[in-house]
Amino acid sequence: EIVMTQSPATLSVSPGERATLSCRASQSVSSNLAWYQQKPGQAPRLLIYGASTRATGIPARFSGSGSGTEFTLTISSLQSEDFAVYYCQQYNNWPPSYTFGQGTKLEIK
Amino acid sequence: QVQLQESGPGLVKPSETLSLTCAVSGYSISSVSLWGWIRQPPGKGLEWIGAIFQSGSTYYNPSLKSRVTISIDTSKNQFSLKLTSVTAADTAVYFCARQRSGYDSEFDYWGQGTLVTVSS
Repeated sequence: EIVMTQSPATLSVSPGERATLSCRASQSVSSNLAWYQQKPGQAPRLLIYGASTRATGIPARFSGSGSGTEFTLTISSLQSEDFAVYYCQQYNNWPPSYTFGQGTKLEIK
Repeated sequence: QVQLQESGPGLVKPSETLSLTCAVSGYSISSVSLWGWIRQPPGKGLEWIGAIFQSGSTYYNPSLKSRVTISIDTSKNQFSLKLTSVTAADTAVYFCARQRSGYDSEFDYWGQGTLVTVSS
């Protein structure tokens, strides 16, 4: 099983500042990595796929980078609606066996 | 607009079978996609349960494989989850989701989720 490890577990950032979230895979997942945002009581929302491609309707302040085992989600200027939990997920396996990171909670400082 | 909607009992007794259905609208379930189930215990992270191709081929999380069955009904444009011999550890919000273009793609559309509690 590919283990996904996110850091930090909690990130406190002020509105308008930049947030950088990390995700590490226990083995290479190439660029088969997605990022999701989840708010309380809601389903996860796809932000980034292919490690760096923004999903439809996602603002340009969200960007993803990395490949192999190290990935980063950057939110360039935090808006109030961005405070949520963020998950990374790999989809590199055949046969399919997908795993998520444990999540990073982005909170208001 | 692709929409997914989970339905099923919100309360299941220990040792019984959890059964959920995901109705898909705005998209043909027979198209080239993979349809999956993901769960989230209260206050915890996301766990992939399994997925099914439109052809009926299934793939399961190894940790749940012995208890999980996913099926698809193209005539009703829906797919279903059965989880047998449930315990309190299976209490979670269960989401259904679509993978856009097959096994090596992300979950782009999700249902709103349904809470299933395992309790006597």
